[in-house]
Amino acid sequence: SYVLTQPPSVSVAPGQTASITCGENHLGRKAVHWYQQKPGQSPVLVVFDDSDRPSGIPERFSGSKSGNTATLTITRVEAGDEADYFCQVWDSSSDHLVIFGGGTKLTVL
Amino acid sequence: QITLKESGPTLVKPTQTLTLTCTFSGFSLSSSGVAVGWLRQPPGKALEWLSLIYWDDDKRYSPSLKNRLTITRDTSKNQVVLTLTNMDPVDTATYYCAHLDVSGVISSAFEYWGQGTLVTVSP
Repeated sequence: SYVLTQPPSVSVAPGQTASITCGENHLGRKAVHWYQQKPGQSPVLVVFDDSDRPSGIPERFSGSKSGNTATLTITRVEAGDEADYFCQVWDSSSDHLVIFGGGTKLTVL
Repeated sequence: QITLKESGPTLVKPTQTLTLTCTFSGFSLSSSGVAVGWLRQPPGKALEWLSLIYWDDDKRYSPSLKNRLTITRDTSKNQVVLTLTNMDPVDTATYYCAHLDVSGVISSAFEYWGQGTLVTVSP
């Protein structure tokens, strides 16, 4: 199996831009998805297939990938964006079909 | 509108078997491409995928828990059942079921989740 590496925490002031990374040696070949999870709530998909947004997700949320690092970018950060963010990949060639990152706590200062 | 809801015991003793039921609406688990997955999250920790059952009854399990997990479906009741044997305190977690459509636009991510159910393992 493999591990998706995320920074444990990211802090940003309101109105600024937050970037959360997700890294893994073979990430370039896999679609990366991002979930937002607020305390006591279920995860919400905010970006899928590296850079697409599900219906209803604000344009402030965007995803990108370069080499083996994927990045979730949140522009014009709001207090309501404070949450845990998890990346996820699907590896149909492995028994470890679904892999999650360790999560990043986004704190809005 | 797709909804899922988990149900089952909130407290189990070590060595017991946990049985959780996911009751869903808004889709059919008989439709091509559709799958329901089970995931869990220990308090304060990351998400962990456990198992997945597809529309054609194909089943997948996390390798680390494969020997303890069983997933089944009842399409007539719109339910998916997960059993986890030999429960241990480290299995204390919020357990979620979630919808996946491998033939949809969002083909490898879980777009719809249940509210989760906290299961505590304690003597």
